[in-house]
Amino acid sequence: QVQLEESGPGLVRPSETLSLTCAVSSFPVSSAYYWGWIRQPPGKGLEWIGTVYLSGNIYYSPSLKSRVNISVDTSKNQFSLSLRSVTGADTAVYYCVGMLGTSARLHDYWGQGTQVTVS
Amino acid sequence: IVLTQSPGILSLSPGEGAALSCRASQSVTNNYLAWFQHRPGQAPRLLIYAASTRATGIPDRFSGSGSGTDFTLTISRLEPEDSAVYYCQQYGSSKGGTFGPGTKVEIK
Repeated sequence: QVQLEESGPGLVRPSETLSLTCAVSSFPVSSAYYWGWIRQPPGKGLEWIGTVYLSGNIYYSPSLKSRVNISVDTSKNQFSLSLRSVTGADTAVYYCVGMLGTSARLHDYWGQGTQVTVS
Repeated sequence: IVLTQSPGILSLSPGEGAALSCRASQSVTNNYLAWFQHRPGQAPRLLIYAASTRATGIPDRFSGSGSGTDFTLTISRLEPEDSAVYYCQQYGSSKGGTFGPGTKVEIK
């Protein structure tokens, strides 16, 4: 059964870099339709951070593009999020997500969600 | 692309039906528009993708329709567990993966 497990610090100091990893089990990280990161700030809706497609294309939210990087490590079967120069506005629950299959037949898998506080 | 959802909140009784709207500021490439259900304390769940295809395990009470810039999620025969926030998201192109602001569905 495919599982995504997030890891990373729950507390990050302002101006530092937020780093989260999503370890994927029972499915090769090189084969998903896409992998992505999403967050939900307190009291707000879902916010898209970025997506890595099987094609190799990576797209980032325009509002975060200057500070964010998503990478895939096939040797460890995981993908990671790096967000630089964080502020209190980056406090949120962060989710990793995998969409497996093809554009005609998708199945979603999610990490457990990680509360990250910038303080 | 900017996605706009309406209404902001729906308050309905069990057994009633709901129509949630998602409008895009420009045409969604290949109609790659998804709908997610998000309950508090849980990860979001994919309901519909490619505008009208139900995801695995999603009851047929949920259906999606639309194309271009106007999309609708229809929930028939509402049940208490349908209480959640519903988001639309466009995906699969260089236009990004923006979410709409969400529609909160409350079951009376």
